[in-house]
Amino acid sequence: SQTIHQWPATLVQPVGSPLSLECTVEGTSNPNLYWYRQAAGRGLQLLFYSVGIGQISSEVPQNLSASRPQDRQFILSSKKLLLSDSGFYLCAWSPTGVSGANVLTFGAGSRLTVL
Amino acid sequence: GQNIDQPTEMTATEGAIVQINCTYQTSGFNGLFWYQQHAGEAPTFLSYNVLDGLEEKGRFSSFLSRSKGYSYLLLKELQMKDSASYLCAVLDSNYQLIWGAGTKLIIKP
Repeated sequence: SQTIHQWPATLVQPVGSPLSLECTVEGTSNPNLYWYRQAAGRGLQLLFYSVGIGQISSEVPQNLSASRPQDRQFILSSKKLLLSDSGFYLCAWSPTGVSGANVLTFGAGSRLTVL
Repeated sequence: GQNIDQPTEMTATEGAIVQINCTYQTSGFNGLFWYQQHAGEAPTFLSYNVLDGLEEKGRFSSFLSRSKGYSYLLLKELQMKDSASYLCAVLDSNYQLIWGAGTKLIIKP
């Protein structure tokens, strides 16, 4: 069966510090991978998605970046965090290819507080 | 623009039935999803509708009317563990998911 791991679960970072959130998927090959951010009272905001190694699409211009160094590994990074980067970050995967029935499976989430 | 509307919060009583509505305006339509999200946790998949009509899955059912841009999630025999946020999401013509802000459902004994 497929599993998705995301870490760290919680972190508190000062403004201007770097960020690295990591996500790995097991039990599947060539998954579609996603990074979302969820702010309180708002819908999920897609930040990045990837259909393969080294292939990253950015949905929202900002000071965040994503990388996919291996097939089942997805990393969200920032060189200098802003207060507005605080939020709940979710990694997700779906089966390879584009299909209406592709269900997203989410990681447990990472709650980031920037002070 | 693309828009998903659902009520911010609803309250219901344990054992009762509740209907959570979702209306959408999107560029194309390739299906509608409902997810459940408990506080502080990740969303989990509940249902997928692409054709008009009702899909039943145990205590939960989801309905879709494409002509009206409307869906609802029906929860029967409510249990305390059903207290959660329910997210509506539509897959548009580019197969991009557009998410609603979610409906927080509070269950009272």
